[in-house]
Amino acid sequence: DAEITQSPRHKITETGRQVTLACHQTWNHNNMFWYRQDLGHGLRLIHYSYGVQDTNKGEVSDGYSVSRSNTEDLPLTLESAASSQTSVYFCASSPGQGIEKLFFGSGTQLSVL
Amino acid sequence: EDQVTQSPEALRLQEGESSSLNCSYTVSGLRGLFWYRQDPGKGPEFLFTLYSAGEEKEKERLKATLTKKESFLHITAPKPEDSATYLCAVQDGNTDKLIFGTGTRLQVFP
Repeated sequence: DAEITQSPRHKITETGRQVTLACHQTWNHNNMFWYRQDLGHGLRLIHYSYGVQDTNKGEVSDGYSVSRSNTEDLPLTLESAASSQTSVYFCASSPGQGIEKLFFGSGTQLSVL
Repeated sequence: EDQVTQSPEALRLQEGESSSLNCSYTVSGLRGLFWYRQDPGKGPEFLFTLYSAGEEKEKERLKATLTKKESFLHITAPKPEDSATYLCAVQDGNTDKLIFGTGTRLQVFP
């Protein structure tokens, strides 16, 4: 069955370190998204991509970057981790133009100490 | 400014006790309203999309409705397995921006 997988499931890192979270989908979806989820906030969009070599900033993109070299993967990099980036990160994908229903991964719990 | 507000924040129901969750929204032009279910430790799972006022969608014990200002998720005779957090999201038709609410945490007790 097609799916979207995130790794690692849990990560603890130190302030200032570079961290990369992986996202891999086997649906061959064009659109991929990264969200963060924090208590008291709805899911907030970090970065998104509508296809290979396409990347766009979301509402909370400062301190994060993404690259899209193939259809299946959209890794999220924290250039220099900060305690404010402690959160649960979700990757999602959708098949077509714009946003239809999203298919989410199971999330990565990131703690920055 | 686009905004999505869900109420209540938490809801405890006895098995079989029907109720409704509310999602009120402010958006310049609605492209679609989405309902998701999220279980602890998992990503949200899609339930419904509603596009225009008056539209209704059903799935098992869940029924979603839409007006020009809000959406309701009606839960009829809930079971413990319906316990989850239910998220509402609205897509702005002018910007394509998707705005999520903070969710309603539903607990159904046997």
